[in-house]
Amino acid sequence: GAVVSQHPSRVICKSGTSVKIECRSLDFQATTMFWYRQFPKQSLMLMATSNEGSKATYEQGVEKDKFLINHASLTLSTLTVTSAHPEDSSFYICSAKSGTNSYNSPLHFGNGTRLTVT
Amino acid sequence: AQSVTQLGSHVSVSEGALVLLRCNYSSSVPPYLFWYVQYPNQGLQLLLKYTTGATLVKGINGFEAEFKKSETSFHLTKPSAHMSDAAEYFCAVSLNTGFQKLVFGTGTRLLVSP
Repeated sequence: GAVVSQHPSRVICKSGTSVKIECRSLDFQATTMFWYRQFPKQSLMLMATSNEGSKATYEQGVEKDKFLINHASLTLSTLTVTSAHPEDSSFYICSAKSGTNSYNSPLHFGNGTRLTVT
Repeated sequence: AQSVTQLGSHVSVSEGALVLLRCNYSSSVPPYLFWYVQYPNQGLQLLLKYTTGATLVKGINGFEAEFKKSETSFHLTKPSAHMSDAAEYFCAVSLNTGFQKLVFGTGTRLLVSP
């Protein structure tokens, strides 16, 4: 089945530094990827929709300049948390849509990245 | 706007007992409904989905859910719980038809005791 690889699984960084999280579709091309954020004991909140070759679409309230998304190829999307602060500590999960006719294609989720900012 | 309510942040059952996880939705258009399972520090795995057609949907690992439009519900059930079913379960509704943006419920943690 379709596999989405997310890296790293865990990262600890100091306040003020930037962290890049990668999301790769290993055996399919993903024209659309989604980035979610999950707070402890809460649900997933959609942050942005990433489309290959174009700018990401951010959800209301998500800072574009803080959460930089790049979808440079059909198999890779990256989320960079810039100038991270402790309140950015969270679990970040990506998902990708498989299939060329992607409107009804299922979502495949990565295993998430636990970000801790100290 | 679409929304999802999952009643009960925690559900505890004994191994072999019936599992019932509740989900109610709100949608201004015919919804697509989903149940996902999340194991610790992992992403989400699709259990089952309702799009159109048969309202009783069977998924993986023996789970099933029934779409009841009159009750705006999509409860998840499994006749007999297994220890390996212990996980976090999320109900979700799509903002549009299809597998586009998903709005998730707050999740229900299923605890299974021997």
